[in-house]
Amino acid sequence: NAGVMQNPRHLVRRRGQEARLRCSPMKGHSHVYWYRQLPEEGLKFMVYLQKENIIDESGMPKERFSAEFPKEGPSILRIQQVVRGDSAAYFCASSPQSNQPQHFGDGTRLSIL
Amino acid sequence: GNSVTQMEGPVTLSEEAFLTINCTYTATGYPSLFWYVQYPGEGLQLLLKATKADDKGSNKGFEATYRKETTSFHLEKGSVQVSDSAVYFCALRDPINTGTASKLTFGTGTRLQVTL
Repeated sequence: NAGVMQNPRHLVRRRGQEARLRCSPMKGHSHVYWYRQLPEEGLKFMVYLQKENIIDESGMPKERFSAEFPKEGPSILRIQQVVRGDSAAYFCASSPQSNQPQHFGDGTRLSIL
Repeated sequence: GNSVTQMEGPVTLSEEAFLTINCTYTATGYPSLFWYVQYPGEGLQLLLKATKADDKGSNKGFEATYRKETTSFHLEKGSVQVSDSAVYFCALRDPINTGTASKLTFGTGTRLQVTL
């Protein structure tokens, strides 16, 4: 019973490039959450999605960031025109229902050169 | 808005010592409370949870009690091991009947280092 799968584990991009982070939730989970962890800080909520719908994007920066969770395939967090400040660990979590505990993936560590 | 405050680390203990990591929160209503543990290079693992006042969550020798009167959820373990070395995060989730029910609000984390 695989857990939440994120890839890649590490991603290096140059300033101005695009970063795509993927998350496959646990089997049977239709609720996906993205969090960002800056060095030596806690996790900050970014966005909450269900299949094909964005439920809460109150933590997403207004520009350059977008997220989707299509009917088929993984959830994608997309960062356009990356800047140094985007360097962080991005974690995905999933749950079977919104009131159930969230299970986390191992994260994608994004480094911007 | 919601917030979670944890004691600053690092906390360094000898093996078999008693552990307390303080956590207090600010929220409206009755949030659910969680402790997560993060080992180096890994994601967060749910350690324990409590969903209502006076509930005690427990797992792997760790426990925490939901104290509504002091808005606290302190993590304790009677005898720590070297393998418990990790970062511990306290978190809350709004009650399900609010518009922000699903997202977790985290504290900044407390690093625990256990030595022989």
